[in-house]
Amino acid sequence: KAGVTQTPRYLIKTRGQQVTLSCSPISGHRSVSWYQQTPGQGLQFLFEYFSETQRNKGNFPGRFSGRQFSNSRSEMNVSTLELGDSALYLCASSLEAGNSYEQYFGPGTRLTVT
Amino acid sequence: GENVEQHPSTLSVQEGDSAVIKCTYSDSASNYFPWYKQELGKRPQLIIDIRSNVGEKKDQRIAVTLNKTAKHFSLHITETQPEDSAVYFCATLYGGFKTIFGAGTRLFVKA
Repeated sequence: KAGVTQTPRYLIKTRGQQVTLSCSPISGHRSVSWYQQTPGQGLQFLFEYFSETQRNKGNFPGRFSGRQFSNSRSEMNVSTLELGDSALYLCASSLEAGNSYEQYFGPGTRLTVT
Repeated sequence: GENVEQHPSTLSVQEGDSAVIKCTYSDSASNYFPWYKQELGKRPQLIIDIRSNVGEKKDQRIAVTLNKTAKHFSLHITETQPEDSAVYFCATLYGGFKTIFGAGTRLFVKA
């Protein structure tokens, strides 16, 4: 099976712009979670989607939003970019069948805001 | 609120020695405790996990112990090798849908 893929891999944006990141989960996985990774803050939970529904959200401002499509692919959007949004954005998919909670991470999208 | 504290932030050991990383969580409803390894420039990968109905789990040189009463769990790596050098993250699963990670431990194994 193909692994989790994320596009684009690298992105440079200017303050005030908006950005959309995409994540394609492993085939058959219906749960997709998004994380922000920075050197100082580690892995911070953004939100989780399952069958097109957001089931949980982290402590991020409303500028961060996401959605999931019927094929389980997910996108996250950040509007009005700030310098502090520069980070590696990781998505992870999970099968969530029975007691399986293992998350499989994508390679990430490195966002730089200038 | 949900919180996972991880210690130490940096750990340096000699090849062949053991390494122990400890995590403490706040929500007693947590029921799943995974450990992820992230090598430089790569994505995090699950190395071992434990559920709340088990006190200890072992997989070759890696073991995890869980103390639900004290709300802490630990990762034990024995006979460390240079390829064990990486950042290790503990995590807990809240409500089945939200994974909270510790801040990470950078492990250096000196040959």
